[in-house]
Amino acid sequence: GAGVSQSPSNKVTEKGKDVELRCDPISGHTALYWYRQSLGQGLEFLIYFQGNSAPDKSGLPSDRFSAERTGGSVSTLTIQRTQQEDSAVYLCASSLRGEAFFGQGTRLTVV
Amino acid sequence: ILNVEQSPQSLHVQEGDSTNFTCSFPSSNFYALHWYRWETAKSPEALFVMTLNGDEKKKGRISATLNTKEGYSYLYIKGSQPEDSATYLCAFWWNYGQNFVFGPGTRLSVLP
Repeated sequence: GAGVSQSPSNKVTEKGKDVELRCDPISGHTALYWYRQSLGQGLEFLIYFQGNSAPDKSGLPSDRFSAERTGGSVSTLTIQRTQQEDSAVYLCASSLRGEAFFGQGTRLTVV
Repeated sequence: ILNVEQSPQSLHVQEGDSTNFTCSFPSSNFYALHWYRWETAKSPEALFVMTLNGDEKKKGRISATLNTKEGYSYLYIKGSQPEDSATYLCAFWWNYGQNFVFGPGTRLSVLP
């Protein structure tokens, strides 16, 4: 595709359910990033991929969060047993040679 | 992950006020500093790409400066308008442009 695609754009889930958020980066972009912004908070780094490996997972807030990237392309961020504090906009970006491209974010609401 | 800071965290100004924000970043391994404007449910919009110490960029009422030696960049908005309300993000690029890290952003609200 022409840009970074994230799906779903909006997700409402019940507390305790698992959710999967998807990011489809620009073809050929080796670096992929996940960030989130909770209501009233700053943008928070979650995880970064170089190819299929994640050199930096330091931002994942708990062991309920995991992410993978397959084929150097699509990435999935999984949140298990969602809690209300997981409600946020989750933003994905991919980059190559000093230029980044962004998805439109997934707004996750845990009720 | 490298530490990039932005201040203030949030800002409320009246229409017509001028304002400025700060982005602080490591002074080593610098490649570039990007500024973005982000409205929720949209992709961040690139404002400026800054690469050289002393760079000054301007787009309409918005301008930015860069000091790579001391590790900071300022973003200025002159005569703020309600449509300027957004989160302003800086992104520090390092490792020869291979990687970047965002600051947490400054959330600007311009009241009519």
